[in-house]
Amino acid sequence: AQKVTQAQTEISVVEKEDVTLDCVYETRDTTYYLFWYKQPPSGELVFLIRRNSFDEQNEISGRYSWNFQKSTSSFNFTITASQVVDSAVYFCALGPNYQLIWGAGTKLIIKP
Amino acid sequence: NAGVTQTPKFQVLKTGQSMTLQCAQDMNHNSMYWYRQDPGMGLRLIYYSASEGTTDKGEVPNGYNVSRLNKREFSLRLESAAPSQTSVYFCASSGQDISSYEQYFGPGTRLTVT
Repeated sequence: AQKVTQAQTEISVVEKEDVTLDCVYETRDTTYYLFWYKQPPSGELVFLIRRNSFDEQNEISGRYSWNFQKSTSSFNFTITASQVVDSAVYFCALGPNYQLIWGAGTKLIIKP
Repeated sequence: NAGVTQTPKFQVLKTGQSMTLQCAQDMNHNSMYWYRQDPGMGLRLIYYSASEGTTDKGEVPNGYNVSRLNKREFSLRLESAAPSQTSVYFCASSGQDISSYEQYFGPGTRLTVT
């Protein structure tokens, strides 16, 4: 069975703190893709990143970084020096193909 | 380049009424999807269309029908709305190539059934 688990239902931090959102996945496929999406309070869903299973290099984009570890089946997302605008629900998803399997989401609250 | 558009943005229905949610994409994507998102929950796939001319059931298809009108348009129909269908509905599209699996979403339709 394929599954995505985001065990952190809600995280609350003070602005400028670093925060890591966990994503653990299960799949028997050798080739797969992992995704992160952001859903701000306005409600739209915004694509953040896609990662291929054969590329375990970590990725950094400004204050955002992603740590992909096949050994632990995890694809964690870290926000450095968090800002109030980072407040949102973040979803992790697994794609064996173009149909995605979604985690339940982590609500991130950044307090000023 | 509008991406994925959905109409309407908001809708209130009475139990038993019918309606169609419209979705269109201008990214030349082959695959399109309909999801629902209930308060505090993740996304659940209702129906998807892998390519023009094909549709398949997702996780929660009961009470819904879909039509892939052409490559650009994918509509979702509620034949007899029920309060349990109160939700936010998202349409999405994606490519089928390895390099384009990420899904792009429309702004959503907030539906209330009374």
